[in-house]
Amino acid sequence: EIVMTQSPATLSVSPGERATLSCRASQSVTSKLAWYQQKPGQAPRLLIYGASTRATGIPARFSGSGSGTEFTLTISSLQSEDFAVYYCQHYNDWPWTFGQGTKVEIK
Amino acid sequence: EVQLVESGGGLVQPGGSLRLSCVASGFTFSNYWMGWVRQAPGKGLEWVAIIKQDGREKYYVDSVKGRFTISRDNAKNSLYLQMNSLRADDTAVYYCARPTFDIWGQGTVVTVSS
Repeated sequence: EIVMTQSPATLSVSPGERATLSCRASQSVTSKLAWYQQKPGQAPRLLIYGASTRATGIPARFSGSGSGTEFTLTISSLQSEDFAVYYCQHYNDWPWTFGQGTKVEIK
Repeated sequence: EVQLVESGGGLVQPGGSLRLSCVASGFTFSNYWMGWVRQAPGKGLEWVAIIKQDGREKYYVDSVKGRFTISRDNAKNSLYLQMNSLRADDTAVYYCARPTFDIWGQGTVVTVSS
């Protein structure tokens, strides 16, 4: 099983600032990596798939990069609605696994 | 509108059984792999099981192998998860999801407790 490790666990950011979230895989997942946003009481919302392709309707301030074992989600200018928990997930082979999440909170 | 609606959650005693259902609408259900994801209270996400379009390929996470069975009825646009020998650590919100990863249900709560 591929273990996904996200850092940091919590990120304190002021509105308008840039946020950079990291995700590391225990072995290569090529570019089969997705990022999700989850707010309390809601299902996850797909942001990025294929490591760098924004899902339909996702604002351009969200961008993904990386391949192999190292990935990054960048939110260029945080808006109030972006404060949430973010998860990475690989789908290179089964079982698909998630990272433990990064909580982005208001500084 | 593309939609997944789960049902069947509830409170069950350890060792008991429960069957979750998910009805799809707004897309051609039979064209897609489908799956179940769960989230324990205050915890992260876990893919539990996935099933191929024709139902002939199924994959399970190790923790549920031999206890859970995923199935589908394409004529009814429905996905199922039969959960047997339930344990306290199966307590979670269970989401039906399409593994294009962009379509999720609202979740159904399963609580395993005496």
